[in-house]
Amino acid sequence: EIVLTQSPGTLSLSPGERATLSCRASQSVSSASLAWYQQRPGQTPRLLIYGASSRATGIPDRFSGSGSGTDFTLTISRLEPEDFAMYYCHQYGSSPLTFGGGTKVEIK
Amino acid sequence: QVQLVESGGGVVQPGGSLRLSCAASGFMFSTSAMHWVRQAPGKGLEWVAFVRYDEGNKLYADSVRGRFTISRDSSKNTLYLQMNRLRAEDTAIYYCAKGLGLYPSGRQLGRDAFDIWGQGTMVTVSS
Repeated sequence: EIVLTQSPGTLSLSPGERATLSCRASQSVSSASLAWYQQRPGQTPRLLIYGASSRATGIPDRFSGSGSGTDFTLTISRLEPEDFAMYYCHQYGSSPLTFGGGTKVEIK
Repeated sequence: QVQLVESGGGVVQPGGSLRLSCAASGFMFSTSAMHWVRQAPGKGLEWVAFVRYDEGNKLYADSVRGRFTISRDSSKNTLYLQMNRLRAEDTAIYYCAKGLGLYPSGRQLGRDAFDIWGQGTMVTVSS
């Protein structure tokens, strides 16, 4: 099973700042099969990025994903008020599918 | 519009059973791979099970294999999760989710991101 470790656990930033979230895998994720989800409090997860760097339909271009192998990054270029939420990475390159523990982006 | 609506959650005693349903609309359910994902209170996400569009392949997390059964009825556009021998650690919000379906590995083997999620249904296992 591939274990995903997200860091930091909590990111305290102000609106307009840049957010950089990390996801590290215990072994290489095949075919860059790595996704990122946003979950606001009390809401369902929303797909942001798939294939490590492809934005899902309707996702603003301030969200970008990068990385390969075992190291992946989600970048939010300029935080909007609605971006303060939990973010999860997810590998789907091998079974069982696994998720990281999450990074909370909170208002500083 | 594109929608998944879960139902069937509730409170059940340890060792009991529950059947969850997920009604799909707004997309081609009959050709879509589907999954169940759960989230324990205050915790992260855990993938539970996958079913191919034709039920020709089913996969389960180790934590539920042998106790949970995923199935679907494409004539009713509905996904199911039969949960038996429930344990306290099964307490969670259960989401149904549609596989993105861009590649055969996703459609056939369940190795996929999830582009549509339901609102979830809460299952509480407690005496």
